[in-house]
Amino acid sequence: DADVTQTPRNRITKTGKRIMLECSQTKGHDRMYWYRQDPGLGLRLIYYSFDVKDINKGEISDGYSVSRQAQAKFSLSLESAIPNQTALYFCATQGGVQTNNEQFFGPGTRLTVL
Amino acid sequence: GQQLNQSPQSMFIQEGEDVSMNCTSSSIFNTWLWYKQDPGEGPVLLIALYKAGELTSNGRLTAQFGITRKDSFLNISASIPSDVGIYFCAGRIQGAQKLVFGQGTRLTINP
Repeated sequence: DADVTQTPRNRITKTGKRIMLECSQTKGHDRMYWYRQDPGLGLRLIYYSFDVKDINKGEISDGYSVSRQAQAKFSLSLESAIPNQTALYFCATQGGVQTNNEQFFGPGTRLTVL
Repeated sequence: GQQLNQSPQSMFIQEGEDVSMNCTSSSIFNTWLWYKQDPGEGPVLLIALYKAGELTSNGRLTAQFGITRKDSFLNISASIPSDVGIYFCAGRIQGAQKLVFGQGTRLTINP
């Protein structure tokens, strides 16, 4: 079983709709991240959480919100989707010193906003 | 804004050739990571570097942490078809909590 899972894997929606992307992990990591990937721009950080009570904005948080429901779950919401939010979205987890603070990624969610 | 410059953006090579790519920054890094992304998948960690000058290999892959701590290199020797994908560098700036990512290098291999 995958350590970091994302649902759905693909989603097509319309402008103005509310969308939630979910991420679950079985690695027992405290730190979780949401990134979006656009062609030629690499991975850009949307939000991150260092533990259940900690939520921080990344470099492109406008138009997004997150919820850390438990250590293992971190969801990303688009309250009112717009076409320029069409992208590939990745969740990642990060362990502590024992894993040299490396990040581990989920398989991604491809979101299309029409 | 973008703090890492990764080059080249794309490479088209013949099977069996060696590949080199690099990332540079104006900031000092204390960690460099190299990831590979296959189509339809998330990035997978290939090599992690933690000390200036460190040279680390993983099979046909070799990566180096630049002595200035502002750059890193990834080399792939004797490329094979399964090397196709997008390679990302990522680094942690000294004193920062988060990773920053390069724009990626898309590798295409002609059989």
